[in-house]
Amino acid sequence: AQKVTQAQTEISVVEKEDVTLDCVYETRDTTYYLFWYKQPPSGELVFLIRRNSFDEQNEISGRYSWNFQKSTSSFNFTITASQVVDSAVYFCALSEAGYSTLTFGKGTMLLVSP
Amino acid sequence: GAGVSQTPSNKVTEKGKYVELRCDPISGHTALYWYRQSLGQGPEFLIYFQGTGAADDSGLPNDRFFAVRPEGSVSTLKIQRTERGDSAVYLCASKTDQNTGELFFGEGSRLTVL
Repeated sequence: AQKVTQAQTEISVVEKEDVTLDCVYETRDTTYYLFWYKQPPSGELVFLIRRNSFDEQNEISGRYSWNFQKSTSSFNFTITASQVVDSAVYFCALSEAGYSTLTFGKGTMLLVSP
Repeated sequence: GAGVSQTPSNKVTEKGKYVELRCDPISGHTALYWYRQSLGQGPEFLIYFQGTGAADDSGLPNDRFFAVRPEGSVSTLKIQRTERGDSAVYLCASKTDQNTGELFFGEGSRLTVL
């Protein structure tokens, strides 16, 4: 069975600080996909990134970066120079190949204060 | 519309009543998913449709829950004899293909059972 663990329930930072959100996953498949979603107060889940299990290259998109390490089954998400608009709940999710549904972690609430 | 549309956005009902929640996916998206998100939790898979058929309904908690997608577009999630434990946000999502592509979520229908 697949499982996603986000151990950090809530993180509070001050604007311009860097923050890393942790995600650890479990799966028996060798082919799988990892995702991060952002859920602002409006409630709509916003897709941020998808990585497949064969691509361990770290990725940077603006202030966002992702560190995928298969050796530790982790897919961590870093926001550099955080802004108040980054305040939201962030979910890590896993999908096994050929089984297209997502298994989500419990989420990490990020509060960025001015 | 451009995104996944869900109605109603809020529904308050009494224990034992019947409820219908509607999802209008992005035009052309063949795959449609229903998830349920309880307070402080990540979304949990309920059911997904590929076209008109339910490809996987393993996440439905019991036989009080049922979903249809008769014409392969709009879907309705039906809950009979509602219980207080059914209170949650019901999220709908769609994507272009069963196994690839980004999953787009609606803003959800918040169901409160008194």
